[in-house]
Amino acid sequence: DAGVIQSPRHEVTEMGQEVTLRCKPISGHNSLFWYRQTMMRGLELLIYFNNNVPIDDSGMPEDRFSAKMPNASFSTLKIQPSEPRDSAVYFCASSPQENQPQHFGDGTRLSIL
Amino acid sequence: GIQVEQSPPDLILQEGANSTLRCNFSDSVNNLQWFHQNPWGQLINLFYIPSGTKQNGRLSATTVATERYSLLYISSSQTTDSGVYFCAAGAGSNYKLTFGKGTLLTVNP
Repeated sequence: DAGVIQSPRHEVTEMGQEVTLRCKPISGHNSLFWYRQTMMRGLELLIYFNNNVPIDDSGMPEDRFSAKMPNASFSTLKIQPSEPRDSAVYFCASSPQENQPQHFGDGTRLSIL
Repeated sequence: GIQVEQSPPDLILQEGANSTLRCNFSDSVNNLQWFHQNPWGQLINLFYIPSGTKQNGRLSATTVATERYSLLYISSSQTTDSGVYFCAAGAGSNYKLTFGKGTLLTVNP
């Protein structure tokens, strides 16, 4: 079975540019999560969707960040405009239901110059 | 929110040695997972273990929910076991996993 698929794997761009990260969850999973990993703060939950509806976005750092889930098989995390402090590894995870194990994609390593 | 603490922060082993990693959490949990982040950055799901004991090959895990800790055992370690091991816990609504800071394991040949 295919796991969680994220794209791109790496992204390098200049500050001020718009960045879009993409995620395809495991088929049949109802919950989707976006995490960010940095050396300073470790792994943090940014936003969580259940049945395509955003449930908790309290971890989204500021208005420059937005996430959508237009259907059960696709989600995006967008940063506009990007800043150097947004550099991190962004992970997408999915689970069959809210209280079941989360499975992670390989992450997108984002560098903002 | 829930606090998750892992120990030790770093561990260096010779190939073939056994080890125990610990995860303490501050509240009752409905979700507890162990992950291995390999040198390529991938987060590999090892165990989903909010309570009880599970085994998978050379790895096993035990969670004592009433005492608020979980243990990950690695036996006969191999160099490919190197990486960072994370414990993550969810409480209450439990969808929200809080990660510990991890244990950096280095297995030398």
